[in-house]
Amino acid sequence: NAGVTQTPKFRVLKTGQSMTLLCAQDMNHEYMYWYRQDPGMGLRLIHYSVGEGTTAKGEVPDGYNVSRLKKQNFLLGLESAAPSQTSVYFCASSYPGHRGDNEQFFGPGTRLTVL
Amino acid sequence: AQKITQTQPGMFVQEKEAVTLDCTYDTSDPSYGLFWYKQPSSGEMIFLIYQGSYDQQNATEGRYSLNFQKARKSANLVISASQLGDSAMYFCAMREGGGYQKVTFGIGTKLQVIP
Repeated sequence: NAGVTQTPKFRVLKTGQSMTLLCAQDMNHEYMYWYRQDPGMGLRLIHYSVGEGTTAKGEVPDGYNVSRLKKQNFLLGLESAAPSQTSVYFCASSYPGHRGDNEQFFGPGTRLTVL
Repeated sequence: AQKITQTQPGMFVQEKEAVTLDCTYDTSDPSYGLFWYKQPSSGEMIFLIYQGSYDQQNATEGRYSLNFQKARKSANLVISASQLGDSAMYFCAMREGGGYQKVTFGIGTKLQVIP
């Protein structure tokens, strides 16, 4: 199993450009998440999905859109990139455990720089 | 108010010694879970240990144990017999309630193990 994969690993954008980050998981997990990690701020939830065709806003959703057309894929879009979106982006997935003790499995991250 | 507080930006520990990483949390939900993740310099997020709010015993996973003090709202990670490979960022995280597993992360503690 590949687990959670993210494409691309690195990207440099100019202000105003758009791009899509792809997350794929092969563990048949229901839940998927997008986080951003900034120095001194830990991980912050951008958007999440509890199943195919559903998405919801997290803590810092502004400037991002997501789609979950297939259960195994979760796409994060930046329509008009801004320097404030320079960050490391992590995708994660988890299954709906009955005790809530199911950990999130993380992808390797995407380092995005917006100039 | 911060939901997860990690007050130690950086810690040093001698190899083979034990170390405690502090984490306090804030929630009014009676059902919650606490996680610890490790992030080595390579960047991936690795799940270490979980403690549920209703669990009677402190969680243990190999050299990792969670010192759960519910009344004080603390969930400290104890690493016994530190190894050089334990040098990493450590994040405390909390899930509130049930459902979709929304997890809030602390800002992390950087642990360095000294030979």
